[in-house]
Amino acid sequence: SQQGEEDPQALSIQEGENATMNCSYKTSINNLQWYRQNSGRGLVHLILIRSNEREKHSGRLRVTLDTSKKSSSLLITASRAADTASYFCATDAGGNNRLAFGKGNQVVVIP
Amino acid sequence: SQTIHQWPATLVQPVGSPLSLECTVEGTSNPNLYWYRQAAGRGLQLLFYSVGIGQISSEVPQNLSASRPQDRQFILSSKKLLLSDSGFYLCAWRTGFGSPLHFGNGTRLTVT
Repeated sequence: SQQGEEDPQALSIQEGENATMNCSYKTSINNLQWYRQNSGRGLVHLILIRSNEREKHSGRLRVTLDTSKKSSSLLITASRAADTASYFCATDAGGNNRLAFGKGNQVVVIP
Repeated sequence: SQTIHQWPATLVQPVGSPLSLECTVEGTSNPNLYWYRQAAGRGLQLLFYSVGIGQISSEVPQNLSASRPQDRQFILSSKKLLLSDSGFYLCAWRTGFGSPLHFGNGTRLTVT
């Protein structure tokens, strides 16, 4: 089964608000990664959190990982119109070099 | 610095025609290489990945195949395209397990 499955909800928020999206997975992982995709483009890596980490920050991004619940969340603070994109989580598991992606979460930031 | 090139950007092909999409990486050696497909509004489906020349792992056997004739070249092929092969094809590389993926700009394939 596919590793990394975001809550399939589209978010529409006002500029300046925070955006939170979640990701759940089914088996033990080595790490979980978040990516952004602008319409019609390739994905861009945002942040990687390892299984022994609980929280990680990068600029306006905050990622949490709860391995007991097999879930992760991505928080974008003080959103900007340029944050409008789809966001995907992906998991590395089992050492087999597969990186499996979830379905993605579309975020629209209204100026 | 490392770069990834993927071409063509768009492609319209009739059903039953062959396919060849090419991806090359510069600035790194022995990368792990990946082909993903994304249907409209959907997530990414892993098609193939390769950890070395001639080593291909297939996730979706169907009518697609992949080859890695050189260390930094990854080719996706089909002998006869189906309508269901339409989608956005993405090539990506990384240094190895546990590292981030770096994506190309994708190929939009429409099978008519």
